[in-house]
Amino acid sequence: SYVLTQPPSVSVAPGKTATITCGGHNIGTKSVHWFQQKPGQAPVLVIFYDSERPSGIPERFSGSNSGNTATLTISRVEAGDEADYHCQVWNSGLDPVVFGGGTKLTVL
Amino acid sequence: QLQLQESGPGLVKPSETLSLTCTVSGDSISTSEYYWAWVRQPPGKGLAWIGHISFRGNTFYNTSLKSRLTISVDTSKDQFSLNLTSVTAADTAVYYCARLMTRGLYYLDSWGRGALVSVS
Repeated sequence: SYVLTQPPSVSVAPGKTATITCGGHNIGTKSVHWFQQKPGQAPVLVIFYDSERPSGIPERFSGSNSGNTATLTISRVEAGDEADYHCQVWNSGLDPVVFGGGTKLTVL
Repeated sequence: QLQLQESGPGLVKPSETLSLTCTVSGDSISTSEYYWAWVRQPPGKGLAWIGHISFRGNTFYNTSLKSRLTISVDTSKDQFSLNLTSVTAADTAVYYCARLMTRGLYYLDSWGRGALVSVS
C-alpha cells in the first residue's frame, strides 16, 4: 500500500514561514490535499489539488508538489495556526484514501 | 451549508458491534459528485480511512477492516451508517463521517464533528 511520510513536529516563530513536508513515492504524479486539525476539533481542508485553497482559507496557506515531496507552506505564521496538519492522497486500487501520519505545528 | 452529524453509542463492549450513523443536512446525499466516507482517529494518533459508499450503495472498504465492516446508505433519510463487528480496544477512536469529492481529485471537503467511541 502507498505510504505518506510527514515529520512528527515542526516549530516556527510568529511571523515566520512554516514548511511541512509530505513524502511519498512519485507523489508529484498524484493530487495532494492538506487538512488542519486543532485540538478537539474535526479536520478542516486547507489545500486541495496540490495548491488550491477552499473558500475562506487565508492566502497565507499555499502548497506545492513535485517529485517525491509535497509541501504545505504557511506564511506569516500566527498563534492560531498551531495545529496538527495531515496530508492525503488518492491511490488507485486497494485502500485508496491514504493519510500521512500528521505533523504537529508549534508556534513558539 | 452542508452539515454532517455522527450519532451512536459512545461505549461498546469488547466483541460486540460498533454502530454509527451520519446524518447529512443542507444538501442531498443522492449525488454522483460525492462519496460518503468514514475516517477514524485513535487517541493521540493520525487519521485512518475506514471506507466509503456511493448513494447507489457501492462500497469501498479498508482491507484490514473488510471482514468486520459494513457501510450502508439510506437515501430517504440522507443518512449513511457504519457497522463494525467484533470490536476490541484497538477500535477505540474518534469516528468522523465526511464527504468525499470525486471528479478525479478525491478529497474530503466536509467533516462531521466526530464521535468518540470507547471499547471497554
